[in-house]
Amino acid sequence: GIQVEQSPPDLILQEGANSTLRCNFSDSVNNLQWFHQNPWGQLINLFYIPSGTKQNGRLSATTVATERYSLLYISSSQTTDSGVYFCAVASQGAQKLVFGQGTRLTINP
Amino acid sequence: GAGVSQTPSNKVTEKGKYVELRCDPISGHTALYWYRQSLGQGPEFLIYFQGTGAADDSGLPNDRFFAVRPEGSVSTLKIQRTERGDSAVYLCASSLVSGWGGPTDTQYFGPGTRLTVL
Repeated sequence: GIQVEQSPPDLILQEGANSTLRCNFSDSVNNLQWFHQNPWGQLINLFYIPSGTKQNGRLSATTVATERYSLLYISSSQTTDSGVYFCAVASQGAQKLVFGQGTRLTINP
Repeated sequence: GAGVSQTPSNKVTEKGKYVELRCDPISGHTALYWYRQSLGQGPEFLIYFQGTGAADDSGLPNDRFFAVRPEGSVSTLKIQRTERGDSAVYLCASSLVSGWGGPTDTQYFGPGTRLTVL
């Protein structure tokens, strides 16, 4: 099945810093979503982005489907951005999401 | 409802017991998914419903696990003869439709049920 790799596994930054999280996947996809899992375990949708670029406030994401990777950018980080960020993909013709191992982001005040 | 809801939020049971976990999807969403998340891991797919039927149950680990969605809305995940290895957070998600290849495929997750098998 499709493989999803996220990097880095851990990232520790000071408040106000910018960060880039990467997601590589091994096959063509028809769904790619970025999630933020908060300290209470809730998975919060950030982007649906199987291709192209989207922006929402301080967050933006780019997926280059032909090269099988996606990037999540967080600018001017805040302590509330802390948590685990997951990339999840669905292969062409499939509906189930396959998740990466996540990037644990810690923003220190 | 406004979001996906799951009950109970926590369930503690003894090895060998039977448990049922409930999921209420977002109103009008035709697709419903169950995932399981172990500590320190990403969620793993269990089963997916399109309407009332299970369209893909390839992620169910064994025949102790079963799920139903009799009226195409609420779903129940049933686990028989629970084992300590079943301890995890069970997540439910729903999407408006599935397989159309557009934003309507976006999956929205509930808060999960934390299952602990003693």
